Amino acid sequence: ILNVEQSPQSLHVQEGDSTNFTCSFPSSNFYALHWYRWETAKSPEALFVMTLNGDEKKKGRISATLNTKEGYSYLYIKGSQPEDSATYLCAFSSGGYQKVTFGTGTKLQVIP
Amino acid sequence: DTAVSQTPKYLVTQMGNDKSIKCEQNLGHDTMYWYKQDSKKFLKIMFSYNNKELIINETVPNRFSPKSPDKAHLNLHINSLELGDSAVYFCASSQRESEQFFGPGTRLTVL
Repeated sequence: ILNVEQSPQSLHVQEGDSTNFTCSFPSSNFYALHWYRWETAKSPEALFVMTLNGDEKKKGRISATLNTKEGYSYLYIKGSQPEDSATYLCAFSSGGYQKVTFGTGTKLQVIP
Repeated sequence: DTAVSQTPKYLVTQMGNDKSIKCEQNLGHDTMYWYKQDSKKFLKIMFSYNNKELIINETVPNRFSPKSPDKAHLNLHINSLELGDSAVYFCASSQRESEQFFGPGTRLTVL
């Protein structure tokens, strides 16, 4: 069982604030790191897939970085909006893309 | 058009019964997955399957089995249902290591 940890577990931010959270994973046998956004009563939706050390991805106000050598990825949200409220999940693949372990998630609440 | 669909959406059944949940994807993906959302809302992979390899999470009881009649379908069969099997089950698909697309989930309640 691989240990994929996310921090913080939850956070509340004011609308307009920028925020970031962390996904930590084992640094050995890395294959890929995914980020997903999961709104209540919906299904997870993919944000990013990262496979190379140093990868940086951006989609609108959301961006992510990857450090495979030290085993972490950051997700950044610039100028948070209420519609960003969701649980953000990272998923780590090791030794092949089919062996996926999801993190426990960071629940973000953006207060108008 | 729904990319990944699951049926039924809700399933209520008695302990000891055998049931199946169907999953279909129309994305042309080569890999499909089944996840269980546990009581703490964590997603745990149960199976991943492409046409070459089935990978089973070793913690999954052998009462659970995936069946793939073709590339677009991966159904989940559960024998001798137990109370602890109550959960939301999600199907997903991907094209190799690209992002996964999830179905809407099936809420299973075992009485």
